[in-house]
Amino acid sequence: EAGVTQSPTHLIKTRGQQVTLRCSPISGHTSVYWYQQALGLGLQFLLWYDEGEERNRGNFPPRFSGRQFPNYSSELNVNALELEDSALYLCASSPWRGRETQYFGPGTRLLVL
Amino acid sequence: KNEVEQSPQNLTAQEGEFITINCSYSVGISALHWLQQHPGGGIVSLFMLSSGKKKHGRLIATINIQEKHSSLHITASHPRDSAVYICAVRDRYGNKLVFGAGTILRVKS
Repeated sequence: EAGVTQSPTHLIKTRGQQVTLRCSPISGHTSVYWYQQALGLGLQFLLWYDEGEERNRGNFPPRFSGRQFPNYSSELNVNALELEDSALYLCASSPWRGRETQYFGPGTRLLVL
Repeated sequence: KNEVEQSPQNLTAQEGEFITINCSYSVGISALHWLQQHPGGGIVSLFMLSSGKKKHGRLIATINIQEKHSSLHITASHPRDSAVYICAVRDRYGNKLVFGAGTILRVKS
């Protein structure tokens, strides 16, 4: 069974640009979570999608947004990139509304110059 | 004060030693997770606990809900156990995980 996949693996952008990160959950999982791990900081919750709807978001500005598609894959969009957005972005999926173990993808490393 | 506190921050052990990593939290939770993150960044979920104790191979996780404390134990540690171990709590509504800062473990041969 394939695990959670994310693309791209690495990305370099400049300040002010926009970026889209993609996540495919494990087959059968309906919940997708996005997390940010900035250098020197711990993991922080960004967004939670379940059944195509945004269910909760962390303490991040509105320029962080996303969506979940009917096949449960998800995109994370970050507009007007800032230097401090440089981080590892991790996606996780779980079978039902986070009540089960979350399975993490390999992450996307974003560098903003 | 962080909602989830881990100790120690760094831990160096000799191969074969028994290791304990502690996690304390200050909020009501529905479950607690222990995660392992290797240098490449990939994260593996080790345990999800809401009560008692779980064991998987050389790893044991315990939780005391009344004391809001959990421990992760590694028996007969091995250099391949070297990683960052992260405690995360799931809020009462099951919505999101709140993470500890992680414990950097290095096991020397």
